[in-house]
Parts: sequence; C-alpha cells; structure tokens
Amino acid sequence: DARVTQTPRHKVTEMGQEVTMRCQPILGHNTVFWYRQTMMQGLELLAYFRNRAPLDDSGMPKDRFSAEMPDATLATLKIQPSEPRDSAVYFCASGRTGDAKNIQYFGAGTRLSVL
Amino acid sequence: SQQGEEDPQALSIQEGENATMNCSYKTSINNLQWYRQNSGRGLVHLILIRSNEREKHSGRLRVTLDTSKKSSSLLITASRAADTASYFCATGPALSGGSYIPTFGRGTSLIVHP
Repeated sequence: DARVTQTPRHKVTEMGQEVTMRCQPILGHNTVFWYRQTMMQGLELLAYFRNRAPLDDSGMPKDRFSAEMPDATLATLKIQPSEPRDSAVYFCASGRTGDAKNIQYFGAGTRLSVL
Repeated sequence: SQQGEEDPQALSIQEGENATMNCSYKTSINNLQWYRQNSGRGLVHLILIRSNEREKHSGRLRVTLDTSKKSSSLLITASRAADTASYFCATGPALSGGSYIPTFGRGTSLIVHP
C-alpha cells in the first residue's frame, strides 16, 4: 500500500536549534507539497515542487525556512533557527501531474514543538 | 489569501442524520476536491468534481458544484460516529495544462454523536 512517509513524527526542540523534516513521496509521483497546519491559520502551503524543481515557495518565510529535493525519493524542510511560533504540524503531500486531477496524498505529519 | 473556505466551522449531529458542509472559492477552477482529516492524521482524498459537472456521488457522499456561485457542498447521508473528522475543500486558480496549486480552507469540524 503506497504511502507518503514523514519523519520524525514528533519533534521537540529548543528555540534557536535547527530542525530538519523529511518526506518520502510515493514512488512515481512527481509533485511534492509542504504544508503547515495550526489552529489559528489552518493549512498553509509552504512550498511546491514539480519534478524536483521548486515552483512556488512564496508561502515560506525565506529567512529561516528552506525546502529541497535532493533526489526523487526525498524532500526536506529545514528551519534554522527555529522559533516558538514555528510550532505546528507539518505535512508533506505528493501527487502526479498530467492527469489534471491534482489529487494529493498526505503523510501523517511531523508535529513540531519549539520551546 | 485562501482559495477555498468551508462553512460552517463546526457541525455537531446525531448518528443517522445528514451532514452538509459548504465551500466557497474565488476564481475559476478546473476541479474541486474534498478531503477528510481524522484527528492526528494527514488529509485523505474523498471525492473530486470537475468544473463541468454539477453533482457527483460516492457511497454516502454527495457533492454538488455551482460554478456560477463559486460554491460546492458536501453531503454525508446517514452519518456514523466514524465520520467524525474535519472536512476540507481544495481547489485553485486554473493554470496552464489543466493543473493548479491546490489550497485548502480551514475546514469544517464534524462531530457525530452515537
């Protein structure tokens, strides 16, 4: 049963530390999305990759966040330095372009707490 | 700004009743999707309706789309306690090639009491 895998599931860190979240998209999917979910803001799109190229990262605070896809099986989201306001659940989703459906398959998320 | 906005924010019903959630969006679209999120989990795709469709069914789910009003509704019939979850609509401005970058609203939190 193909699924998007995110690690770690939970992360507690102190303010100022670097945080790296990883995502393994479903094999054969060529789009990857990073979202942040909080009670206040809901589900916010942070970054969007197609064929490993970043197409839209306008939702991401550029000074501390960075998103990359070193290869087709790995997407990373880094926060450096982390701040308490970054506490949220971060979701990765993957999908396929070409069928114009844009259905996304979500991972279980990384729950981040920055103290 | 968010493309899709769900209404109501919260809905509490008894098992067996129907639940209706609405979604409004801002720009022309290629399709609109509904997702469900159980507590502590990622979102799961439920159903997709294309811009040239007006109604679609899948089991106990019924989705309607009114492009003139830029709105959609999701109806869950004969609800069950297991339907308790948050429901999101997702759509986005149409891009070239029929694709779009989907954005989500804040969701409707549905509680079904046994």
